Amino acid sequence: DIQMTQSPSSLSASVGDRVTISCRASQGIGTSLAWYQQKPGKVPKLLIYAASSLQLRVPSRFSGSGSETDFTLTISSLQPEDVATYYCQKYDSAPLSFGGGTKVEIK
Amino acid sequence: EVQLLESGGGLVPPGGSLRLSCAASGFIFSNYAMSWVRQAPGKGLEWVSVISGSSGLTYYADSVKGRFTISRDNSKNTLYLDVTSLRAEDTALYYCAKLRSVLVASAADFWGQGTLVTVSP
Repeated sequence: DIQMTQSPSSLSASVGDRVTISCRASQGIGTSLAWYQQKPGKVPKLLIYAASSLQLRVPSRFSGSGSETDFTLTISSLQPEDVATYYCQKYDSAPLSFGGGTKVEIK
Repeated sequence: EVQLLESGGGLVPPGGSLRLSCAASGFIFSNYAMSWVRQAPGKGLEWVSVISGSSGLTYYADSVKGRFTISRDNSKNTLYLDVTSLRAEDTALYYCAKLRSVLVASAADFWGQGTLVTVSP
């Protein structure tokens, strides 16, 4: 099975900073990758699908890039409401595995 | 408005069984694949199972294969997960999620609030 590895596992940044989160697949998955945001105590929310397509009503400061094995989620200007754990998920074929998550905090 | 309402969770002893349900509304249920994802307390998301819109295709995580069964009743707009031979490590919040397509290879664009399964003597 393909493994999904996220890095870093946590990060702390200042409001307004550019934040990047990496997700690496152990084998190529094309662009079948999604990013989710889960705020503390809340349900996961889809941010990005097909590696770079922004889900409806998601702020444009979020963007995704990459293909095959290397993917990136970028928050162009970190806001206080972006405090959350972010997960990538492959969906090219089963198992539809998630990465381990990246916890984002405000410095 | 899309709504997913899970039910059926509870406290069950090791080896026990439950049927989790997810009542869907606000979209044409049969047109979308559906999935179960779980989250153990304080841990990350773990994909459990997925079913295509027509129920023709189902897939499972290795950790639950042979013990869990996903199904759907498109006439009742309801998704199910039969969980058997439960173990302590199955303790988690179980989320029902709607996928973006009738195909299983798609992202989850709506999630329910979850139903808690606790496996303990």
